[in-house]
Amino acid sequence: AQKVTQAQTEISVVEKEDVTLDCVYETRDTTYYLFWYKQPPSGELVFLIRRNSFDEQNEISGRYSWNFQKSTSSFNFTITASQVVDSAVYFCAPTTGNQFYFGTGTSLTVIP
Amino acid sequence: DTEVTQTPKHLVMGMTNKKSLKCEQHMGHRAMYWYKQKAKKPPELMFVYSYEKLSINESVPSRFSPECPNSSLLNLHLHALQPEDSALYLCASSQLGLGYNEQFFGPGTRLTVL
Repeated sequence: AQKVTQAQTEISVVEKEDVTLDCVYETRDTTYYLFWYKQPPSGELVFLIRRNSFDEQNEISGRYSWNFQKSTSSFNFTITASQVVDSAVYFCAPTTGNQFYFGTGTSLTVIP
Repeated sequence: DTEVTQTPKHLVMGMTNKKSLKCEQHMGHRAMYWYKQKAKKPPELMFVYSYEKLSINESVPSRFSPECPNSSLLNLHLHALQPEDSALYLCASSQLGLGYNEQFFGPGTRLTVL
């Protein structure tokens, strides 16, 4: 059985603060892919990042960075120097083969 | 063109009406998806089309009928819906219908069933 947990329901930060969004994906599958999507108030989901289960290298892209630790099943996403436009719901979305899952989402509010 | 378009943006229908939602992409993607999203909930997968064939149907009631006329178009035909079917309906596409492809989403159709 697969289980996706985004324990943080809502987060508020002040602009320019760093914020980390947590995701835990429990599965017996050895091959899977992990995605983060952002859904701003307009409603359209936007793809942010993708990692596969074999690659535990942490990466940075602009203000985004992510940390994947297979041993703890965690796939965390960090926004540095947050901006008001980062306010959105963020979904962790693991997939295996033709199975698609979305976590329950974390609502991020960046206060100016 | 990296856009998925959906029409209409808003739809209000009665329980006896028949209506259709439309989705279009011109990215050459071979997989297209329908999701249903209730307020403050994650999207729920409904259907997946891969190479214009229905590959996944997540036990969706028959009052929802998908159709993929060609690789760029995806329709969702609605008939005899219930008020609990009111939701945001999202269309997405990906290069292939496999787990490692990121999905590109449209802006959604906000459906209200009276």
